[in-house]
Amino acid sequence: GDSVTQMEGPVTLSEEACLTINCTYTATGYPSLFWYVQYPGEGLQLLLKATKADDKGSNKGFEATYRKETTSFHLEKGSVQVSDSAVYFCALSDGYNQGGKLIFGQGTELSVKP
Amino acid sequence: GAVVSQHPSRVICKSGTSVKIECRSLDFQATTMFWYRQFPKKSLMLMATSNEGSKATYEQGVEKDKFLINHASLTLSTLTVTSAHPEDSSFYICSAREGTGVSYEQYFGPGTRLTVT
Repeated sequence: GDSVTQMEGPVTLSEEACLTINCTYTATGYPSLFWYVQYPGEGLQLLLKATKADDKGSNKGFEATYRKETTSFHLEKGSVQVSDSAVYFCALSDGYNQGGKLIFGQGTELSVKP
Repeated sequence: GAVVSQHPSRVICKSGTSVKIECRSLDFQATTMFWYRQFPKKSLMLMATSNEGSKATYEQGVEKDKFLINHASLTLSTLTVTSAHPEDSSFYICSAREGTGVSYEQYFGPGTRLTVT
């Protein structure tokens, strides 16, 4: 079945450091890919998405490119802030086959120190 | 943007009792709602998909008689944990989708922390 694999956390960075969180996926169809962010004690918020190969999603300085050839959707940010500390989830939705259900990776906790 | 609320945000109950969690879409009509369970430091596990006016579709391994889901209107779905036990303690999150097409985005509620003592 479809699946999503993320790099394990926690990831600890200093403010203004570069961030990369790796995400790879396995899917039989043509999935849409998502990054969600969960701040402490809160629900998930959509951070960015890409619906087809070579699309780049971006938001709040974060970006990720849908790479079909490597089945990857790595999350990047050039300069992280303390306020970026959260858990980040990569997810896919193979809407045609799964009715829009989201399959999540295990989450990567990011901690940014001042 | 679309807002989904959950109530209560936290609940503590005694073992053997039942707990109802509400999920509401506040500014759109949710044709489909999803219920997830999240364990500490773990990913979200989809429990069931709920379509308005029809029976919920449960994921493999989820007991439908224990986790009762009702999607009676286009803005409200409820999850009832029946005869709760400590192992049911978890963070329960709902999401709602506005359209019937599978390309529609899901909007997530803030979650409900259930603790069974």
